[in-house]
Amino acid sequence: DGGITQSPKYLFRKEGQNVTLSCEQNLNHDAMYWYRQDPGQGLRLIYYSQIVNDFQKGDIAEGYSVSREKKESFPLTVTSAQKNPTAFYLCASINSRSMNTEAFFGQGTRLTVV
Amino acid sequence: AQSVAQPEDQVNVAEGNPLTVKCTYSVSGNPYLFWYVQYPNRGLQFLLKYITGDNLVKGSYGFEAEFNKSQTSFHLKKPSALVSDSALYFCAFNYGNNRLAFGKGNQVVVIP
Repeated sequence: DGGITQSPKYLFRKEGQNVTLSCEQNLNHDAMYWYRQDPGQGLRLIYYSQIVNDFQKGDIAEGYSVSREKKESFPLTVTSAQKNPTAFYLCASINSRSMNTEAFFGQGTRLTVV
Repeated sequence: AQSVAQPEDQVNVAEGNPLTVKCTYSVSGNPYLFWYVQYPNRGLQFLLKYITGDNLVKGSYGFEAEFNKSQTSFHLKKPSALVSDSALYFCAFNYGNNRLAFGKGNQVVVIP
């Protein structure tokens, strides 16, 4: 089956720790995105990558970092600089060779600071 | 700033009745609008999109949406709601490089 796999489904982080969320896709999509979802606020864009070895900041990039070493993978690191990391994180990919096409989303990772 | 607004927090509807979820937009130029649905603790699923052309767009699971330029609206509709339609619905627009900006979401509750 083609799709996007996020892992882990649940993640707990202690204060001051960095944690990395995994996102893998086998859809052969060039573009990948990370969104953060908070209750009542919709989704907000953290980072995105349109091609391997290149990525851009989204609207709320502070305290996060990403890499795009392979087309299939776009991991997100939540650093200790992110002051309020508890949220639901969603990864998405798009076939950017088609104009205005829909995004495919993973099942999400719920991060909780303990 | 460009945005989409979903004015209602929750929509309650009886099973079998028509369902409408409202979205208005403030987007320059030709808006590229989307509707997504999210079930609890899951990712988003695409329902439909408006790019250009026919103002009535048909999508997945019996949903449709009407693009109204004069009212700057893109309301999601379903003629007869099912209990399984209970979910969180998001309106969104593409603001370049396929980046999506979302409304805050509408919780739909279909009452048996």
